[in-house]
Amino acid sequence: AQTVTQSQPEMSVQEAETVTLSCTYDTSESDYYLFWYKQPPSRQMILVIRQEAYKQQNATENRFSVNFQKAAKSFSLKISDSQLGDAAMYFCAYRSAGNTDKLIFGTGTRLQVFP
Amino acid sequence: NAGVTQTPKFQVLKTGQSMTLQCAQDMNHEYMSWYRQDPGMGLRLIHYSVGAGITDQGEVPNGYNVSRSTTEDFPLRLLSAAPSQTSVYFCATSRGLTEAFFGQGTRLTVV
Repeated sequence: AQTVTQSQPEMSVQEAETVTLSCTYDTSESDYYLFWYKQPPSRQMILVIRQEAYKQQNATENRFSVNFQKAAKSFSLKISDSQLGDAAMYFCAYRSAGNTDKLIFGTGTRLQVFP
Repeated sequence: NAGVTQTPKFQVLKTGQSMTLQCAQDMNHEYMSWYRQDPGMGLRLIHYSVGAGITDQGEVPNGYNVSRSTTEDFPLRLLSAAPSQTSVYFCATSRGLTEAFFGQGTRLTVV
């Protein structure tokens, strides 16, 4: 069975600085998808970024980028130029490329942003 | 477009009561799922459906029933609520292998 591990329960960063959130996963599959979701206090789950395992290039969305290391089964999220609005819970999630809708989530990292 | 709509947003139940959490989507997605979120445990899959008439169990299905009679709706039923079912519940939809879109969640408290 696949598992997702987020070893940092809490992180903090100063506004305008850069922070990296860690995620590792375990799977025997070769084809899969990885996601980072943001959950602000409003409770809404918001997709931040997505990575297909077959792509070697790391995904980037504006200030958000990932470091995807397939062999090491690592999928970290880098937030550049942090803003107060980035404060939230961040969840790493895994999805098989098979015919399934199942997402497997990590336990989350709470990010605080200080002015 | 409303996207994924969950009702109610908040609910308090007494132990042993039954209720249905509603989930409706207007995105024409074939996949729909229910997750529960507990402190320190992330989101865990309860039940999911790959299309109308097809449902299957996820990681934590006990105490919950689902059905999928239409593409748009995927209700989650608690037949006899227990305090262990106090949680935040999320409905999610997706089309094929794209990312999942979530409803705003239902905070359920069982006393």
